[in-house]
Amino acid sequence: DQQVKQNSPSLSVQEGRISILNCDYTNSMFDYFLWYKKYPAEGPTFLISISSIKDKNEDGRFTVFLNKSAKHLSLHIVPSQPGDSAVYFCAASRTDSWGKLQFGAGTQVVVTP
Amino acid sequence: GAGVSQSPSNKVTEKGKDVELRCDPISGHTALYWYRQSLGQGLEFLIYFQGNSAPDKSGLPSDRFSAERTGGSVSTLTIQRTQQEDSAVYLCASSFSSDGGYEQYFGPGTRLTVT
Repeated sequence: DQQVKQNSPSLSVQEGRISILNCDYTNSMFDYFLWYKKYPAEGPTFLISISSIKDKNEDGRFTVFLNKSAKHLSLHIVPSQPGDSAVYFCAASRTDSWGKLQFGAGTQVVVTP
Repeated sequence: GAGVSQSPSNKVTEKGKDVELRCDPISGHTALYWYRQSLGQGLEFLIYFQGNSAPDKSGLPSDRFSAERTGGSVSTLTIQRTQQEDSAVYLCASSFSSDGGYEQYFGPGTRLTVT
């Protein structure tokens, strides 16, 4: 039962343009959401997070938007840089079981010069 | 400081054999997690340890899988009688245990191939 879904397996974007990654979830009990970035042969690294009490969180070039009514979140990267080429995972958790992150399948982002 | 380390980085084993995967968390982190990533899939939660509390084993796929955490630090994930479907990258993560401390720091993973 996939509770966190990333329906776009890949995304290609030109350097300097905006990358928009989408994530949908089905469990309304999720109250914390995270994005992780993964390079080949490395473990995922934390990128940005958002609590369900907010609808936006920004950190430099990265902004996460949360639409609770639609059970949808998105990650915006602007401007995109070649070093952003990686797999991005969306993850969600519940306060009563915060150790159990539920991950999406990931989106491979390729930033072209 | 040192990050999460895992060993071995790669393991090839024959079907039916037992394997042990090791994780050294970041010093001072009280929570430790195991995930696995099968080809083309997202990370799948397996088990997590929080301090001295009983571990949450709800993600373990079968009784062939078990994990221990000795002395609140190093953890070993054991897979008995391995099957081909166990082939995956096994990832360990650790974090501080605090309210809202959701950031998990991941190791590089162990790639397990069962032939």
